[in-house]
Amino acid sequence: DGGITQSPKYLFRKEGQNVTLSCEQNLNHDAMYWYRQDPGQGLRLIYYSQIVNDFQKGDIAEGYSVSREKKESFPLTVTSAQKNPTAFYLCASSTTRLAGGTQYFGPGTRLTVL
Amino acid sequence: EDQVTQSPEALRLQEGESSSLNCSYTVSGLRGLFWYRQDPGKGPEFLFTLYSAGEEKEKERLKATLTKKESFLHITAPKPEDSATYLCAVRAPSGSARQLTFGSGTQLTVLP
Repeated sequence: DGGITQSPKYLFRKEGQNVTLSCEQNLNHDAMYWYRQDPGQGLRLIYYSQIVNDFQKGDIAEGYSVSREKKESFPLTVTSAQKNPTAFYLCASSTTRLAGGTQYFGPGTRLTVL
Repeated sequence: EDQVTQSPEALRLQEGESSSLNCSYTVSGLRGLFWYRQDPGKGPEFLFTLYSAGEEKEKERLKATLTKKESFLHITAPKPEDSATYLCAVRAPSGSARQLTFGSGTQLTVLP
């Protein structure tokens, strides 16, 4: 079955630690995205990538880093510089064809800072 | 700046009581309005894309409509399994053509 997987489902981080969230897709989509979701707020874009080896900052990139070495994978690292990392993190992917572009989401990773 | 406002924030309905959710937006040159359903602790599930005013799409008990300033998600005779948060998002030419701006959602509860 085609889809997007995220791991782990739950992640606990001590203050000062970097953690990496995994996102893999087998939909053959060119574009991938990372969003952060906080209670009562809409999804906010952290980073996005439209092609391998290229990515751009979204609205709230500070304290986060990404890489896009393979088309299928777009891992997100939450660094110790992110002051309030506790949130629900969502990965999405889409085609880049003009006629398409609907973003499909993974199941999410809930990160909690202890 | 593109803005998306959803109302109400929360809605409680009795099973079978039809209603509508609203998504109002301010964008220059809409390139698509998207509706998603999100269950607690899960990722959003795609429902509909609307591109131009007057367009309508239906899926089971859900019907989405679009005007030049807002979209409505009509829920006809809802069932408890329709309980979820419904998210609206818009894509506009400003910034990346691939980015979406999301509203904060409407949390729908359907009581048996």
